[in-house]
Amino acid sequence: GENVEQHPSTLSVQEGDSAVIKCTYSDSASNYFPWYKQELGKRPQLIIDIRSNVGEKKDQRIAVTLNKTAKHFSLHITETQPEDSAVYFCAATVYNQGGKLIFGQGTELSVKP
Amino acid sequence: DGGITQSPKYLFRKEGQNVTLSCEQNLNHDAMYWYRQDPGQGLRLIYYSQIVNDFQKGDIAEGYSVSREKKESFPLTVTSAQKNPTAFYLCASSTRGSGDNEQFFGPGTRLTVL
Repeated sequence: GENVEQHPSTLSVQEGDSAVIKCTYSDSASNYFPWYKQELGKRPQLIIDIRSNVGEKKDQRIAVTLNKTAKHFSLHITETQPEDSAVYFCAATVYNQGGKLIFGQGTELSVKP
Repeated sequence: DGGITQSPKYLFRKEGQNVTLSCEQNLNHDAMYWYRQDPGQGLRLIYYSQIVNDFQKGDIAEGYSVSREKKESFPLTVTSAQKNPTAFYLCASSTRGSGDNEQFFGPGTRLTVL
């Protein structure tokens, strides 16, 4: 079945450093790849997304890159701040199944001051 | 926070009881979704609905049931057939069910079986 693998499961960086989280997906027809941030006990919130016709998208300190040939996409956070500490989830659509998303297992990012 | 609400925030259930979790949205979204989140894991899809009076099973539908009688509402019933229901339940909605647009999440319901 469809699958999304996310690595690493935990990531600890110093404030100001960059953080990179990587995901691979199995459905070659996937065309939408969102990234969500979830703080402890809260709802997931979209931080950035990318569609299959684009290779890279940037929004201030956050960027996402997509390699459709290799079926992987990555989240890049530059100049990390303590408030970036949270769990981050990647996801990919399942083709022709009504908006169904398959989520990765999550990455717990800790930014140390 | 996106106009999607869930109630209650916390729910305690005795074994053998059915419970219903509420999800309401005022965003005029066509599609709605139910996910289950267990500690240290990603979100797994239980059921989803692209349009009123229609819904489909997700990856872990066994022991759950839903209805979609109104566009704004998508309640989830956790039945006694669900063997391990303790989890954090998240409802989401999106403008359409085509799979290429943002899903907005509700605040979640934490269900505990006593």
